[in-house]
Amino acid sequence: QSALTQPASVSGSPGQSITVSCTGTSSDVGSYDLVSWYQQHPGKAPKLMIYEVSKRPSGVSTRFSGSKSGNTASLTISGLQAEDEADYYCCSYASSSTFPVVFGGGTKLTVL
Amino acid sequence: QVQLVQSGAELKRPGASVRVSCKASGYTFTSYYLHWVRQAPGQGPEWMGWINPNTGDTTYAQKFHGRVTLTRVPSISTAYMELTWLTSDDTAVYYCTRDADPGGIYVRFDPWGQGTLVTVSS
Repeated sequence: QSALTQPASVSGSPGQSITVSCTGTSSDVGSYDLVSWYQQHPGKAPKLMIYEVSKRPSGVSTRFSGSKSGNTASLTISGLQAEDEADYYCCSYASSSTFPVVFGGGTKLTVL
Repeated sequence: QVQLVQSGAELKRPGASVRVSCKASGYTFTSYYLHWVRQAPGQGPEWMGWINPNTGDTTYAQKFHGRVTLTRVPSISTAYMELTWLTSDDTAVYYCTRDADPGGIYVRFDPWGQGTLVTVSS
């Protein structure tokens, strides 16, 4: 599978902001605004945090925001809180016939 | 509320098959695509395929082509994922998830089922 590339880990102190990058190609992130982000706590199912690059589902904190430039999407969390500590995954639609949906490898967020 | 409830954990021998069910409630089952995603221990999610619950049309990741079959029974709002010729590499938590916009593929997965652990071991 051609997974999207994410940093393995990021960290920040409470109140700070962090950004997680998600790098794909012109066949996925670069071609479609169908990029979503998921938060996953240990032993739990993923939770949708951002869809269509920058839209927030109802109930998700405004501290979470998304953007995209070229082949790279980004998730920014502002005003870090302890409960934000989790794994974060990006996901994109792709034009590939072999893998029309691709996930990133995940980023572990540690709140110091 | 919109909910997906999956069948329970499975222990299978190598070479066997497994079928996982996903029962939907709280919405019109035939209006939203369902996807299956698996997650091996310590790994990120891996997309396996989608099914249009209205028509039964499917698309699979090529990696699983020939081994995975997605089906559905609209009358009971239930979808199924069958994976054959299991190996230890198939040990993972398997999730069903709904594409949250009706009628198409938007990669907006919400909600997710609770997950089904499939363990393949001799």
